[in-house]
Amino acid sequence: DAKTTQPNSMESNEEEPVHLPCNHSTISGTDYIHWYRQLPSQGPEYVIHGLTSNVNNRMASLAIAEDRKSSTLILHRATLRDAAVYYCVSNSNSGYALNFGKGTSLLVTP
Amino acid sequence: ETGVTQTPRHLVMGMTNKKSLKCEQHLGHNAMYWYKQSAKKPLELMFVYNFKEQTENNSVPSRFSPECPNSSHLFLHLHTLQPEDSALYLCASSQDLAANYGYTFGSGTRLTVV
Repeated sequence: DAKTTQPNSMESNEEEPVHLPCNHSTISGTDYIHWYRQLPSQGPEYVIHGLTSNVNNRMASLAIAEDRKSSTLILHRATLRDAAVYYCVSNSNSGYALNFGKGTSLLVTP
Repeated sequence: ETGVTQTPRHLVMGMTNKKSLKCEQHLGHNAMYWYKQSAKKPLELMFVYNFKEQTENNSVPSRFSPECPNSSHLFLHLHTLQPEDSALYLCASSQDLAANYGYTFGSGTRLTVV
């Protein structure tokens, strides 16, 4: 399975941008890069995904390196409600499902 | 409410009990998944179904038995579980198995085996 590597934790001040990095050096050329987040006592929530180009939606932006070996999830203005575990997710070997790593626990302070 | 509903939210069962977890989605999705999330561990994929057919069993012990009667419903039947099976069991669905579709997760069932 393609592996992803993320920092265990990060901290941000409220209303400041947050850049969450992910390394996925073994990802295949056709695997999408997905990001999910999980708030306490909830299931993971889809954030964004992309293949090669940078992607934007109402929640976040995704910057994908040209060689696709890494990506960065960008929260433009962190709020207290953004405190969660953020997962950078790759495809399973079969390609039928997503494999989750340990994720980055984001702490947002006022 | 995410569109994927899991019941019950909490379940305590003895090691000799038989119980079932239910997952329901009315998003029109064709693929459904079971994941297990143990404390301090990443989500582990258990089973994958597409159009009611099982496409992946990730070496899950036979004491976990999935059932998918239609594309909207997914069950996980449990019997003779062990305390180490205590975890959050998450159901998810997606439009298709294709990798470019996002998943919608339910809130999970918190299972405690005593």
